[in-house]
Amino acid sequence: DQQVKQNSPSLSVQEGRISILNCDYTNSMFDYFLWYKKYPAEGPTFLISISSIKDKNEDGRFTVFLNKSAKHLSLHIVPSQPGDSAVYFCAASAYKGSSNTGKLIFGQGTTLQVKP
Amino acid sequence: DAGVIQSPRHEVTEMGQEVTLRCKPISGHDYLFWYRQTMMRGLELLIYFNNNVPIDDSGMPEDRFSAKMPNASFSTLKIQPSEPRDSAVYFCASSNGGLDYEQYFGPGTRLTVT
Repeated sequence: DQQVKQNSPSLSVQEGRISILNCDYTNSMFDYFLWYKKYPAEGPTFLISISSIKDKNEDGRFTVFLNKSAKHLSLHIVPSQPGDSAVYFCAASAYKGSSNTGKLIFGQGTTLQVKP
Repeated sequence: DAGVIQSPRHEVTEMGQEVTLRCKPISGHDYLFWYRQTMMRGLELLIYFNNNVPIDDSGMPEDRFSAKMPNASFSTLKIQPSEPRDSAVYFCASSNGGLDYEQYFGPGTRLTVT
């Protein structure tokens, strides 16, 4: 049972336009969400995060939106640049009962290609 | 400050051989995670440690896989015997378990089992 899902394996956008990457989750106990970016032959690197008490967090060109009622989050990149081409993973903090386990549950990833 | 260090970066071995992957977490981090990335399954958590103690190994695929963390600065993931389906990229990550939950990943070990 996949608790964090990224239903789009790939996305292609034109440079300068907006990229929107989506993520859905099933566990209502998740309280913290993160986005990671991964380039080929490198490990994933942290990009941006959001706590469940917020519905939006912004960092430069990157904005994450959280809709708790829909159990959905999205990452917006505006404007998109060719250097943003990478695999993007969303992740959620994991709970066991009422205790945070310290581990993250990752989605399958979405490959973003930004065309010049 | 050095990030998470993994060795080797690439490993090619024959089916049936023992493989040992190594990880040095970021100093001061008390959580260590082992992940496997494949095209089919994405990033899977295999096992994680807190203060050198294994907390959750439910992601370890089978008894051929084992992981140890003898001290705060070193961990190993061993596959014995290896099989072609174990071919994947294995990542180690560490965190300080803080409220931001951010994990820092190493560069990964690309394992090919022929």
